[in-house]
Amino acid sequence: ETGVTQSPTHLIKTRGQQVTLRCSSQSGHNTVSWYQQALGQGPQFIFQYYREEENGRGNFPPRFSGLQFPNYSSELNVNALELDDSALYLCASSFSPGTYEQYFGPGTRLTVT
Amino acid sequence: TQLLEQSPQFLSIQEGENLTVYCNSSSVFSSLQWYRQEPGEGPVLLVTVVTGGEVKKLKRLTFQFGDARKDSSLHITAAQPGDTGLYLCAGDGASNTGKLIFGQGTTLQVKP
Repeated sequence: ETGVTQSPTHLIKTRGQQVTLRCSSQSGHNTVSWYQQALGQGPQFIFQYYREEENGRGNFPPRFSGLQFPNYSSELNVNALELDDSALYLCASSFSPGTYEQYFGPGTRLTVT
Repeated sequence: TQLLEQSPQFLSIQEGENLTVYCNSSSVFSSLQWYRQEPGEGPVLLVTVVTGGEVKKLKRLTFQFGDARKDSSLHITAAQPGDTGLYLCAGDGASNTGKLIFGQGTTLQVKP
């Protein structure tokens, strides 16, 4: 059974640029949630995708957007990057939106300069 | 807005000591989870508690969910250097949606 994978591992971008982060969910999981973890903080919920549709969103601006594909992998896109977007971006997959257990990937470390 | 307050934020203890980490909220959660995170890695699920008053044990770790499902605790007995890491509690809101609200985390350092 393959776990949750994310790419790239690290990324450095300049303020104002756009970035796309990728996540492959664990086999059999149809739900992917994205979280932002600033240094020294707990993760914050960005949004969740279920069967290719957004299924709930946290307190993040519209420049954070996402996609889920038929194979349940997912992308997180961030436009007009700001310095405060520097963080570890985590994706988590689960069997369904209501499943208690979520399995996290290793994260993508984004640095905005 | 639902919040989870985790305490303490930092804990540095000697090997063999016991410790307790607390996770408190004014809101009710349908479930509460505890994760452990190593530097450069994603959180790894330790346990999920669902029923008010529930106690779960995982070797030297004991997890408790408050009767009102607003708080939880993690107790580690005879801590070992391998327990070092960031411990996170996360709640799922009044209804089970999978949209987790995390505490700020407790950084635990266990010195040999």
